[in-house]
Amino acid sequence: DGGITQSPKYLFRKEGQNVTLSCEQNLNHDAMYWYRQDPGQGLRLIYYSQIVNDFQKGDIAEGYSVSREKKESFPLTVTSAQKNPTAFYLCASSIRTSYGYTFGSGTRLTVV
Amino acid sequence: RKEVEQDPGPFNVPEGATVAFNCTYSNSASQSFFWYRQDCRKEPKLLMSVYSSGNEDGRFTAQLNRASQYISLLIRDSKLSDSATYLCVVNNAGGTSYGKLTFGQGTILTVHP
Repeated sequence: DGGITQSPKYLFRKEGQNVTLSCEQNLNHDAMYWYRQDPGQGLRLIYYSQIVNDFQKGDIAEGYSVSREKKESFPLTVTSAQKNPTAFYLCASSIRTSYGYTFGSGTRLTVV
Repeated sequence: RKEVEQDPGPFNVPEGATVAFNCTYSNSASQSFFWYRQDCRKEPKLLMSVYSSGNEDGRFTAQLNRASQYISLLIRDSKLSDSATYLCVVNNAGGTSYGKLTFGQGTILTVHP
């Protein structure tokens, strides 16, 4: 079955560490997105990519980095510059935004 | 003004009740509109798209008023399984096929026996 796979499901980060969240899709979607969700809040866009080797900053890109070397993959790195990284991270993809997004099951990141 | 605004609720209704959620958006160039459902600690899932003429899917009815920049979702005959957060979502791509979707804060619904 086609879908989006995020891993790991839970991730713990020590202060000062960089961590990378994986997002893979086999839906043949061109566009991919990373959102962050904090408790009781809506989704905020971190980065998005419409085609391979191209990506744009979203509303809260500071402290994050991405790459899009393959159509299927859009990993997100949470760097040590992100001061408050504890959140629920959601990856999504779309063939066109007029069709909505398909989401992965998310990664819960906690700073320890 | 937020790009997409929803009443956060919570809405607490008995089984069988009819409940309506409202949403306003600020960008008049928005082209696509959706309602998503998010269960506790899960990812959002597409509930339904919202079309200009209004559309219905079983117990769910969505309406769009472009002049007022307003979207609504009506749930009839509420079930316990309808308990979730409902997200209003708007495409602010300005007519292009890609771009990004903007999510409202969500409206919490709890259906009780």
